[in-house]
Amino acid sequence: KAGVTQTPRYLIKTRGQQVTLSCSPISGHRSVSWYQQTPGQGLQFLFEYFSETQRNKGNFPGRFSGRQFSNSRSEMNVSTLELGDSALYLCASSLAGRGAKNYNEQFFGPGTRLTVL
Amino acid sequence: AQSVSQHNHHVILSEAASLELGCNYSYGGTVNLFWYVQYPGQHLQLLLKYFSGDPLVKGIKGFEAEFIKSKFSFNLRKPSVQWSDTAEYFCAVMRNSGNTPLVFGKGTRLSVIA
Repeated sequence: KAGVTQTPRYLIKTRGQQVTLSCSPISGHRSVSWYQQTPGQGLQFLFEYFSETQRNKGNFPGRFSGRQFSNSRSEMNVSTLELGDSALYLCASSLAGRGAKNYNEQFFGPGTRLTVL
Repeated sequence: AQSVSQHNHHVILSEAASLELGCNYSYGGTVNLFWYVQYPGQHLQLLLKYFSGDPLVKGIKGFEAEFIKSKFSFNLRKPSVQWSDTAEYFCAVMRNSGNTPLVFGKGTRLSVIA
């Protein structure tokens, strides 16, 4: 079974631009979560999507948004980029189906390294 | 708000030394607990998990963790570390009620020297 894939793997943008990151979950997984990883803050939860609906949201400004498609693939968008948005953005997928054993065990992708200049 | 504390930012050990990494969480209800590892240049991998049952759980590569409910702790242990255990270790907690996100600690960097 293929793992979680994320594209692109590396991205360089300048302040003020916007960026879209993509995540393809493990086949059959319906939940996709996004995290921002930085050396100082560790992993911080951005949001979670389940069946095309945002189910949870972390404490990030509205510049950070996401969506999920009917095939469970997800995208996140960051508008008006700031220097502080430079980070590794991780996507994780899980079954998240009620009654499924270990339904909330999350599997992570390799991440997208975003550098904002 | 739920939080996860990892007490050690950076741990340096010699090969064959024993390891214990601390993890405490703040939520008082039923939780699911995880340890993830991130080797240099690689993505996060699940090391072990606790959902219910025996509070001493064994994971991959000789790691184990003990859930002590009264102490809100889930410490990671390994009797004898190897150079290849050099990595960053993250403790994570998820409330077992409703749809709640996984909350991570800030991580502990382990450096194993020969």
